[in-house]
Amino acid sequence: DMKVTQMPRYLIKRMGENVLLECGQDMSHETMYWYRQDPGLGLQLIYISYDVDSNSEGDIPKGYRVSRKKREHFSLILDSAKTNQTSVYFCASSFDWGASYEQYFGPGTRLTVL
Amino acid sequence: QQKVQQSPESLIVPEGGMASLNCTFSDRNSQYFWWYRQHSGEGPKALMSIFSNGDKKEGRFTAHLNKASLYVSLHIKDSQPSDSALYFCAVSPIFHNTGNYKYVFGAGTRLKVIA
Repeated sequence: DMKVTQMPRYLIKRMGENVLLECGQDMSHETMYWYRQDPGLGLQLIYISYDVDSNSEGDIPKGYRVSRKKREHFSLILDSAKTNQTSVYFCASSFDWGASYEQYFGPGTRLTVL
Repeated sequence: QQKVQQSPESLIVPEGGMASLNCTFSDRNSQYFWWYRQHSGEGPKALMSIFSNGDKKEGRFTAHLNKASLYVSLHIKDSQPSDSALYFCAVSPIFHNTGNYKYVFGAGTRLKVIA
């Protein structure tokens, strides 16, 4: 079953707390992504991972870092969360980073930073 | 910086009607285009891709691409209430300043199909 999972689905944190969002995929995809989705802005790319320990910044990496120690897992870390990081975060994976491959998205994590 | 703009922002069509969604992009070197659909409370899901100029039909969905005019569109024939969703176009990876590729997504068109 081709699936991308995300945990947790909902999270409420206070400003300054650390946040860990986890993503898993069962398709052995090399490439994984983290996006955030805000109303009227579509999907904004935070980070891409091309494989284990091979990560690259996206359009809005400031305030975020990632970790990929196993091909099937990709984590997004917010050190000292800020209120403007309240958003819905999506993880995605694709077979490769080439343009012809579709991205498979997880169900999202709704993060609220108070 | 690639700009991808979608219109209209929202669209209401009657059941059985035709929905037309538009997407313009700014980079003439763009090569690949995807349409994604996102139902409420879910993650986006790929609907169809188009890589060559012209039309591509998959069931009730037809994508049209005109690279010279920097334009791609999606047409949904015989629209169903289950087609109600947020639709994104995603334009081919451009050469990011790190030398790696990335997609650019439009802001989306919210489609509502009313019975």
